[in-house]
Formats: sequence, C-alpha cells, structure tokens
Amino acid sequence: GQQVMQIPQYQHVQEGEDFTTYCNSSTTLSNIQWYKQRPGGHPVFLIQLVKSGEVKKQKRLTFQYEEKKKNSSLHITATQTTDVGTYFCAAAGTYKYIFGTGTRLKVLA
Amino acid sequence: EAGVVQSPRYKIIEKKQPVAFWCNPISGHNTLYWYLQNLGQGPELLIRYENEEAVDDSQLPKDRFSAERLKGVDSTLKIQPAELGDSAVYLCASSFQGEDTQYFGPGTRLTVL
Repeated sequence: GQQVMQIPQYQHVQEGEDFTTYCNSSTTLSNIQWYKQRPGGHPVFLIQLVKSGEVKKQKRLTFQYEEKKKNSSLHITATQTTDVGTYFCAAAGTYKYIFGTGTRLKVLA
Repeated sequence: EAGVVQSPRYKIIEKKQPVAFWCNPISGHNTLYWYLQNLGQGPELLIRYENEEAVDDSQLPKDRFSAERLKGVDSTLKIQPAELGDSAVYLCASSFQGEDTQYFGPGTRLTVL
C-alpha cells in the first residue's frame, strides 16, 4: 500500500534558525495536507496543497509541492519557541488520507 | 463554535476489560473519523463515517473493535476485550462532507495494564 515517509524524524534547532521537513510518498499524490501537533495536543490543520509545483506561505511557514507530486516540504523561517511540536503531512490515498511518520521539532531558546 | 468533543480524556483499564470512547463532532459535519495514534507516530485511520454509514472500516480490527454512529451525529468506539497493545491515543475527527480539512478532537488516552 501507499507509504508516506517524513524526514528528519527529529530536529533540534536554536531559536531563530530555519527548519525544513520533507514528506515523501511511494506513489504520485493528488492532494497533500500538513498538520501541526503540539506536545500533548491533537493535530491541527495547517494547509492543503493540490497543484503540481504549488507554493503557499503562511507568515514564516512555506509549503511546497514538488512538480512530480511525490514530495512536499514545509519550511519555517526563523523558528520561535511557539513552533515546537510534531509536523505531519497527510497524503490523499484511495478514500482517505494517510498520515506520515511526522517530524518532531524542538526549538532551543 | 465548539470543536470536536471527546470523552473520557483518559482511561486506565486492565487487560481483557471492555472500554468505550465517545465523540461528538462539530455541528453540521457529516464525515466522522476515528484514528489511533501510537506514541511517536502519525494517526492511523480506523474507520470513517459519512453520516451514519461506515464507508471505510478496512483498518478496524473487527474481532475486538466496534463502532457506531446511529443517528449520524455522535459516535462510539468500543474495544472488547482490550489488550496491552491497545494502549494509545484514540482521536476523533470530523469534516464537512466533500471537504478534506479534518478537525481533530483532544483524543482519549487509553492505558491497558
């Protein structure tokens, strides 16, 4: 079946540094979503990407959908302590979204 | 607007005991999902409802898990009997029919001793 992998699994950064997480699928994707889960919390929807090559921005967050629609990335510029959490991508499969393994971000003040 | 409500938030039981989780989705959301999330992993879909119909339950271990959404609003997920490996967070999510954005509840953390 379809597999969705994310790298890295963990990332520790100093506050102010940039951060990037990559989402890779074993098959071509249709839609992809990104969620953030704070420690002890639940996943919260961030954004959905649909079009090949699409780039969307939310303040310091930049989401990208690669041309061949097998990969996506989330980049955070100048991380803040409020960015701490696990970032999941979720790829549209047949009738459902398949969540990736997640990247846990820790921001050191 | 109230979010997805789940109860209980925490549950500790001994193995072989039954347990039930309840979810009330956001008002007007026709689609309801139950996910299982193990520590350090992403949510895994157990079952998806469109109104009262279960449209995807392929990942639900039907020998011990059951779910219902009788009136197409709130839903119950049951495990009987629980096993040690069932310890996890059980998340409920909902969305408008035809829309992909899922709104998650706070989850129920189950510990099986």
